[in-house]
Amino acid sequence: EVQLVESGGGVVQPGGSLRLSCEASGFTFSDHYMDWVRQAPGKGLEWVGRIRNKVNSYITEYAASVKGRFTISRDDSKNSLSLQMNSLKTEDTAVYYCVRVSTTVSKRYFDFWGRGTLVTVSS
Amino acid sequence: EIVMTQSPATLSVSPGERATLSCRASQSVSGNLAWYQQKAGQAPRLLIHDASTRATGIPARFSGSGSGTEFTLTISSLQSEDFVVYYCQQYYSGYTFGQGTKLEIK
Repeated sequence: EVQLVESGGGVVQPGGSLRLSCEASGFTFSDHYMDWVRQAPGKGLEWVGRIRNKVNSYITEYAASVKGRFTISRDDSKNSLSLQMNSLKTEDTAVYYCVRVSTTVSKRYFDFWGRGTLVTVSS
Repeated sequence: EIVMTQSPATLSVSPGERATLSCRASQSVSGNLAWYQQKAGQAPRLLIHDASTRATGIPARFSGSGSGTEFTLTISSLQSEDFVVYYCQQYYSGYTFGQGTKLEIK
């Protein structure tokens, strides 16, 4: 059974930092690109960023809204994904989902989602 | 950035009837379109990818169609568990979502 379990959410002050983790199981983690997607309370979905697999050099991509502040990394030996969030703003408040990306070349849709972890940025 | 627009924002339909949800892209996304279902308090679930391919385990009452800039999700014979929120998403250039359509019981 595919599972993605996020952790690390909580309350942080504006300007602070937080590190989210995602533990994967039930599939070959190293084969997949992995993404983070967020959802502000009562709002829609926003793509945050992506890390490709080893074959594609672990290249990362970020949404303009988080570029330079957020960093995605992965450890294939531990089937884990991380999101380091720095210089947090109140508008970063959201549920953050760890998302598996399909392996179909040029058809990179989101085929499995974790349950999410809530990040609240507030003074 | 490609903007995705879903309509209507809320759709009222009776159980057992058909629901038709629309999604429009600000420029062509070819067939690179997915639909997701999100129940309250839960993570989204992939329903349809490549505009018309049902994901694994998705019931046949869910179907997708369209290409270019106009797409449709059709749910035939609505069940009680279908009255939730649906999002479309393009993955042609970047990854952007529509604002969602809430399906409610009429």
